[in-house]
This record gives sequence, C-alpha cells and structure tokens, in this order.
Amino acid sequence: AQTVTQSQPEMSVQEAETVTLSCTYDTSESDYYLFWYKQPPSRQMILVIRQEAYKQQNATENRFSVNFQKAAKSFSLKISDSQLGDAAMYFCAYRTPFDTGANSKLTFGKGITLSVRP
Amino acid sequence: KAGVTQTPRYLIKTRGQQVTLSCSPISGHRSVSWYQQTPGQGLQFLFEYFSETQRNKGNFPGRFSGRQFSNSRSEMNVSTLELGDSALYLCASSLGDRAGGNEKLFFGSGTQLSVL
Repeated sequence: AQTVTQSQPEMSVQEAETVTLSCTYDTSESDYYLFWYKQPPSRQMILVIRQEAYKQQNATENRFSVNFQKAAKSFSLKISDSQLGDAAMYFCAYRTPFDTGANSKLTFGKGITLSVRP
Repeated sequence: KAGVTQTPRYLIKTRGQQVTLSCSPISGHRSVSWYQQTPGQGLQFLFEYFSETQRNKGNFPGRFSGRQFSNSRSEMNVSTLELGDSALYLCASSLGDRAGGNEKLFFGSGTQLSVL
C-alpha cells in the first residue's frame, strides 16, 4: 500500500525567508502524481503545486517549488519569500492515474503546521 | 463561478443516530470525493463518485455510504454513529478526467461532525 510520511509536525519561518517542508512516500508504482495542499484556518484545502512522476523537471508555481527525487521517493516543498498568508497546515499527497487499474485514491500525509513570524 | 458547497457546516449528533452530509460541486464537475479528517488519523479517503457511480472506495466500514445524483451533487451518510466518527468531513470536486489523476481538486470548507 502507498504511504506518505511527513515527519515534521511543525515548522516556523521568518517572514521573507525561505522554508522547506519535507515529504517522503512509499510506492511500487512507476507512474503517479504528487501534490502539496495547503489548509488555512478556513479549513478549505487549496492545491499549491503538483508533480507528475514521469517528469524530471521540478514543478514551480511562483514562490513555491518542489525538489522531486524519484529514486529517493522524496518530494519536498520550498516556499521562498515567506508571507504571513502562508501560515497554514500543508499536506503532501500521492495518487496513481485512474487507468492503472489500481485504486486511484488520494493518499495524504499527516500534515505539517507552518507558522510565519513577522 | 461558485465553489464547492458543503452543508451543514456544523452538526452535533448522539451515538447510534445517523447523519447525512451534502456536497454541491462546482458547476460542470462530474467527480466528487469525500475525506475524513481527524487529529489522530489525518486525512483519509472515503470514496469517490463519478457520473453517479462509485469509482473508488477507501477502507471504511459499511456504515459509511454515499451517492451522487444526476446533477453531480453528492451525499454522504453515516449510520449508527460512533464517538470515533467525530471529524471534519471534506468533499472535493473535479472534472473527473478518466485518463488523468493529476487534475486539481477543489475542496469545500467541510462539515464538522461531533458525536456525543
């Protein structure tokens, strides 16, 4: 079974600084997708960034980028120029494609609470 | 465009009762999935519906069921409530591209269920 591990329960970063959130996963599949979701106090999950496993290039979305290491099964999120609005819970997630025959469900890590110091 | 709407926002029930939660997806989205979020277990997938058919299912007992209507609105039902069912229940909608899996999910703000 696929598992997603976020070993750091909490992290803190100074406003305008850079922070990296760690995520590892375990799978026997070769084709899959990885995601980072943000959950602010409003509880509504928001997609931050996503990565296709077959792509070697790391995904970037403005101040957010990932370091995807497929062999190491590692998928970390880097937030540059941190802002107060980045304070939230961040979840790493994994999913296989619908057409693999596997149960294509979204599997989440336990999440990490990020606080941003002004 | 309206977002994903979940009703009610908060719900208090007692053990043994049953509850129905509702989720209205974004217009045009055909897939609705449900998740349970608790402090101890984190976010766990319940099930996914696409065009009124259950496409995927998580590892929850049969007390948890769902359905999807022709307008893509979905309901989730929990029968014979237990204390451990207290959780935030989130639903998400997406276009439901069959060949994909990396499509963006749009989440609602959830229903906070408390079982006393």
